[in-house]
Order: sequence, then C-alpha cells, then structure tokens
Amino acid sequence: AQSVTQPDIHITVSEGASLELRCNYSYGATPYLFWYVQSPGQGLQLLLKYFSGDTLVQGIKGFEAEFKRSQSSFNLRKPSVHWSDAAEYFCAVRLRGGSEKLVFGKGTKLTVNP
Amino acid sequence: NAGVTQTPKFQVLKTGQSMTLQCAQDMNHNSMYWYRQDPGMGLRLIYYSASEGTTDKGEVPNGYNVSRLNKREFSLRLESAAPSQTSVYFCASNEGLAGPQAYFGPGTRLLVL
Repeated sequence: AQSVTQPDIHITVSEGASLELRCNYSYGATPYLFWYVQSPGQGLQLLLKYFSGDTLVQGIKGFEAEFKRSQSSFNLRKPSVHWSDAAEYFCAVRLRGGSEKLVFGKGTKLTVNP
Repeated sequence: NAGVTQTPKFQVLKTGQSMTLQCAQDMNHNSMYWYRQDPGMGLRLIYYSASEGTTDKGEVPNGYNVSRLNKREFSLRLESAAPSQTSVYFCASNEGLAGPQAYFGPGTRLLVL
C-alpha cells in the first residue's frame, strides 16, 4: 500500500547536538517530497521540498534533507539544534503525474533539552 | 494577501448537530485540501479538490461532505457530528500541476460532545 512512514514518534536531543529525522515512502515512482514543521498550537510551515535534481536540498532555519532513491528515503537533518527547533515535524509526499493528493506521515515530535 | 483563511477558529457541537467549516484562499490556487489532525495520527486527508468543480476522497472521508464553491472556496460539512470527529481541521491549497508547496490555514478546533 502507498504510505509515508516516520519511524520515530518522539526524539529528544540536547541543544547544540545534531539531528536526523527519518522519512520513508512507499510509492511506485518517486513522488514530490516535503518536510513541514508545526510549532505547538500553530499551523504548518514548509521547511523544504524536493522535486528533482540535486538530492541534497537546503531549507529554512538551517535544515537540509537528502533524497535517496535506493532507500526510498528523505531524511531531514540539522547540524546543531536550537531550543526553538522544538516542534513536530511532518514528512509529506505528492504523487507525480496528475494526482494532486498530498499525504502526510504521522509526525515526529522533537524535544530539545538545554 | 491573506493566504488561506478558515472560519470558525473554534466550535463546540453536540452529537448529531451539523456545521460547515469554511476555507478560502486568495492565491488563485487550483488545488485545495481538507485535513484532520489528531494526536499520534498526523494529518489525514479527508477530501481534496484538484480544480474548481472536482472533488476526490482522501483517506478518511466518511462522515464528511465537501463543496468546491468556486476557485477560492472549499467548504467541509459535517451533516451529523459525532464525538469521533473531535479534531483540529486544516485547509490547504497549492497551485496544482506540480506547484511548489501547499499553504495551510490556521486550523479550526472542533469539539463534539
């Protein structure tokens, strides 16, 4: 079945530590790939997106993500986490070729310890 | 340029009552979406509309109806609300046809007693 999987429900890191949030998808062809962030009580903000080309994409707030076709993954990374990065992060995919369906993973909640 | 707006922000209903959640976008986008967000479940797609005049079911359409009134507006209707529909509802839009990203509204918090 087509799906988006974020294996980690909750991650805790110390401020200044590096971060990697995992996302895997199960679709026949490479979809469009997105990472969104949601701060408590807020709406969703786009961090970055992958459509084609360079598999390492840069986003806002110092985040980057790497698309790996062989692993059907689009993992989000940040070299040094700030306390303000505490939020919930969602991976999302949209199929190519006509469908406008946009599907989200279940999210990973990030806690940042001082 | 307000982006995506949703009304109301918060609503309390009794079981069996009906209501319509309104969504409008001023970005001339073709595609619009309704999601519900529940703890531990992420955002689940209820319905989407790829263009004016078309709507399609998402992952969890049961108990909901939608109307794409025009290019700007996409409403979500609960005909007979149930406690299981207590959730936060988000509307979103994008250009369609590989548009760059989806823009989200601020959400509607719905409580069904």
